Amino acid sequence: TQLLEQSPQFLSIQEGENLTVYCNSSSVFSSLQWYRQEPGEGPVLLVTVVTGGEVKKLKRLTFQFGDARKDSSLHITAAQTGDTGLYLCAGARNTDKLIFGTGTRLQVFP
Amino acid sequence: NAGVTQTPKFQVLKTGQSMTLQCAQDMNHEYMSWYRQDPGMGLRLIHYSVGAGITDQGEVPNGYNVSRSTTEDFPLRLLSAAPSQTSVYFCASSRTGSQPQHFGDGTRLSIL
Repeated sequence: TQLLEQSPQFLSIQEGENLTVYCNSSSVFSSLQWYRQEPGEGPVLLVTVVTGGEVKKLKRLTFQFGDARKDSSLHITAAQTGDTGLYLCAGARNTDKLIFGTGTRLQVFP
Repeated sequence: NAGVTQTPKFQVLKTGQSMTLQCAQDMNHEYMSWYRQDPGMGLRLIHYSVGAGITDQGEVPNGYNVSRSTTEDFPLRLLSAAPSQTSVYFCASSRTGSQPQHFGDGTRLSIL
């Protein structure tokens, strides 16, 4: 059972465009993490959001946790080729496990 | 700063063979886990451990065994490889299961 659905699954855009990736669930999470994974490597943590409605910014990346802590979004402003990769969200529910989303594969063309 | 080290990076097996994927971390993390990554499926948890001597099953444990004799090491054993186990395997560690995970670079496994 996949508890975290990401959309879109694939995204192909040109440099300079803006984009938003969504991470949705029917379950409540105590926190949500976003990772980026590049080819041949493991995922690397970008940010953790903890409070409902929280917004965090990491340069051109803006992360938001939904008010009900069931969903999250990642917005990239003026995408660059270096943003290319697989973006994964992961939710924690006060257990010893993280639930990973299905992933969004982003390709940014020059 | 090694972090999480996985070996081997690539492996090809024949159906029915067994093998062990190695994972070691040098951050003194109590929590370690194994995931498999398949296209369109994200990361699925195979087994995890909250400390030396303690292991538990994740979402897709069938066909895999683990043990945790030390804090540093968490090997994953394939008992009798099947083509359905062709995947990329990631080991991760953290202070607890809900904390951000530190991942290795993965083992790419093909079962013929």
